[in-house]
Amino acid sequence: GEDVEQSLFLSVREGDSSVINCTYTDSSSTYLYWYKQEPGAGLQLLTYIFSNMDMKQDQRLTVLLNKKDKHLSLRIADTQTGDSAIYFCAALHGSGNTGKLIFGQGTTLQVKP
Amino acid sequence: SAVISQKPSRDICQRGTSLTIQCQVDSQVTMMFWYRQQPGQSLTLIATANQGSEATYESGFVIDKFPISRPNLTFSTLTVSNMSPEDSSIYLCSSGTDTGELFFGEGSRLTVL
Repeated sequence: GEDVEQSLFLSVREGDSSVINCTYTDSSSTYLYWYKQEPGAGLQLLTYIFSNMDMKQDQRLTVLLNKKDKHLSLRIADTQTGDSAIYFCAALHGSGNTGKLIFGQGTTLQVKP
Repeated sequence: SAVISQKPSRDICQRGTSLTIQCQVDSQVTMMFWYRQQPGQSLTLIATANQGSEATYESGFVIDKFPISRPNLTFSTLTVSNMSPEDSSIYLCSSGTDTGELFFGEGSRLTVL
């Protein structure tokens, strides 16, 4: 079935860039998402990208999509201690509002001062 | 964007009882989704709540255990029936926009003793 894989842990120094990687198997996924989950909180939508794009930038966040390799990455520039959280990659299975999200296991980002 | 509110935010329940979780969206939406996040795990789709028709359940989830209501375009409920400690999870409601954004509520944290 459909699968999304992420590395489980990333540690960076404050001020450095963080890159979180994700691979997915469903080549028909029309949208791919990055969510942030802080302890005890729900999921915050950080950004998403349509499958016909290869890059999307939003302030400190840059998403790169390699559709051929089914690889998605999230780059956080100038990482801050407040960025410490779990980051989930998700692929939309199906189309539009009728689809479901397949989530990766989540990457725990640790930002050291 | 969509603002999604869930109640209760957390609860502690006794084995064998049932709990109903409410989800309210601040705008009319076609589809609403219910996810489960077991402790330390990623998210799994339970079902899609369709307005005016029966919910569509994913493999491994059944209506008798997780009955869902969708009385209008802004509201849905999920009931966790005959609870056991294995049902201790975060239950999250989700919905989206026509432009592909998919938002989540803050989640309902359920502990079953």
